[in-house]
Amino acid sequence: GESVGLHLPTLSVQEGDNSIINCAYSNSASDYFIWYKQESGKGPQFIIDIRSNMDKRQGQRVTVLLNKTVKHLSLQIAATQPGDSAVYFCAENPYSGGYNKLIFGAGTRLAVHP
Amino acid sequence: EPEVTQTPSHQVTQMGQEVILRCVPISNHLYFYWYRQILGQKVEFLVSFYNNEISEKSEIFDDQFSVERPDGSNFTLKIRSTKLEDSAMYFCASRSSRQGQGEAFFGQGTRLTVV
Repeated sequence: GESVGLHLPTLSVQEGDNSIINCAYSNSASDYFIWYKQESGKGPQFIIDIRSNMDKRQGQRVTVLLNKTVKHLSLQIAATQPGDSAVYFCAENPYSGGYNKLIFGAGTRLAVHP
Repeated sequence: EPEVTQTPSHQVTQMGQEVILRCVPISNHLYFYWYRQILGQKVEFLVSFYNNEISEKSEIFDDQFSVERPDGSNFTLKIRSTKLEDSAMYFCASRSSRQGQGEAFFGQGTRLTVV
């Protein structure tokens, strides 16, 4: 069935360290993946996306890695800052075509300590 | 920067009452969605809307729910007879293209509290 899940519900890091948030997905037909950041009381905010024909994509301080062999997605945040504290969700498009609902994972809370 | 706007930010209603949640998607977007998030849980898909009709809906989106795009600008979610378990954050999202060429932009959400 369709499912997207996260290995760690809470991740605590020191300011300046790198953070890695992981996500597993089960639908091999998924062709597009997005990482969203959600701050308290706000809607999900786009961070970075990746298509299934890629295995790595870099943004500003963030990198997404996709391993289709083991159906694993990760978000790397370099030099983590207090403003990065939030809940991070991975989301997938479960199939090609259609109207592309997003299936969200359970979320990982990132806590950045000074 | 264009954004999805939702009103109201917080709605309190009595069980059994009808509520309408409103959204103004980004103007050149074609695909519209409602999601909900029960407190502390993940974001769940409710319904997608394209070309003035529902394109997909989840099991959550039963006969008590309906969506409408009445005037080419607003996109509404109606719950006819609210239940306690409808209490959640409701997010509207819009997207310019179907697949892989643009992320879904989310509004700030409406917190619905059913008492």
